[in-house]
Formats: sequence, C-alpha cells, structure tokens
Amino acid sequence: KAGVTQTPRYLIKTRGQQVTLSCSPISGHRSVSWYQQTPGQGLQFLFEYFSETQRNKGNFPGRFSGRQFSNSRSEMNVSTLELGDSALYLCASSLGSGLVAGELFFGEGSRLTVL
Amino acid sequence: GESVGLHLPTLSVQEGDNSIINCAYSNSASDYFIWYKQESGKGPQFIIDIRSNMDKRQGQRVTVLLNKTVKHLSLQIAATQPGDSAVYFCAERGGNFNKFYFGSGTKLNVKP
Repeated sequence: KAGVTQTPRYLIKTRGQQVTLSCSPISGHRSVSWYQQTPGQGLQFLFEYFSETQRNKGNFPGRFSGRQFSNSRSEMNVSTLELGDSALYLCASSLGSGLVAGELFFGEGSRLTVL
Repeated sequence: GESVGLHLPTLSVQEGDNSIINCAYSNSASDYFIWYKQESGKGPQFIIDIRSNMDKRQGQRVTVLLNKTVKHLSLQIAATQPGDSAVYFCAERGGNFNKFYFGSGTKLNVKP
C-alpha cells in the first residue's frame, strides 16, 4: 500500500513568489492535514481537509491556503513568500476525522527554501 | 494548548539499555495522543498511540504511559538499538477533529 506522497520534495523560491505543494494521501484516507516544521517553532498545524471541506485552520496568515479534491488529493499554496516561510511542509493523511479519527500518516515533506 | 518548540533536549543511552522519553501536554481536554519518531530528512513515523480512557499501552518494544492528573506522557523503549536514534515527538489531539499539537521533541542518541 503506497504511503503519503508529497511533491515536490525540494524547491527554492524567492521572496514575493508563490508556491503550490501537492499531497496524495494513502488510498482510502479522506482526511489530509498540513503542518509546517521549522527548527524554532517545531511542528505547527496549518489546516485539515476532509471530504473537500476545510475542517480546521491553524494560526497562520491568509497567505497560506489549501484545498482538497474529490479524490482526496490536497494542495497547499503560499503566496507572497517571505524568508520566514522557509520550512519543511508535511502532509499527513488519516482514515477519518472527528471521533473516528486515528493516527496520522505523514509524507516525507516538501522542503521549501525562500531566498 | 499549543506547544512551542524552542529547545530540543537530548537523551543519550547505551545500546541495550531502556529509554524513557517524557512529554508534558497542555490541554486537559485532549483525548488522543501519539508518539512519533522522525529520522533526519524524513517525515514523522507513527510509533504508538493511546486514548485518554487508558493509562498504558504496549507495543513491540515500546510502552506509552499516560498520566492525566499531571498531564504527562512517556514513551519507554526497551533494549534500545542504534536504529532507534531519532527525534521523538509526542502529539495531542485537543478533541477537535485532526488538529494535533506537537511537543518540541527529544533527540535520542543511542551509543553502540
């Protein structure tokens, strides 16, 4: 069974640009969450999608957005990139959400460097 | 309760010894907890989970203990191996769908 797949694995952008990251969850999983990981702040929740609806949102500015497609694949977008957006962006999938939710399965992440 | 990752403590153990990694969580309403292992350059890998209606759960070589009174979680690794060297995170779900709050992590260094 294939795991969570994130693309691209590495990318370099300059300030002011925008970036789109993609995540394919484990087959059958309907919940996709996104996390930002930095050395200073650790793992921070960005948002969660379930059945194409955003269920939760973390404390990030509106420049961070996401969406989920009918096949459960998800994308996140960061506009007007800032140096502080340099991080490892992790996608995690789960079978369900809410009370039936279980463990999160993480992908390998997309390493974004903003110059 | 969000946890802020500012400092990464390190635990050094000898191969074959038992390891205990501790985590203090912040939300007394958290209903579900997970321990993750993260190796360099990889995403977090699930180790073991526990729900708030339990106080102990055992896996293969790992045991998680939950003390809700003091909001404390621990991960015990038996007969620690060099392959166990990684950063370990605890994560708590605040009862709100899949929104997890992660601890700052503990680096486990296993000496051969």
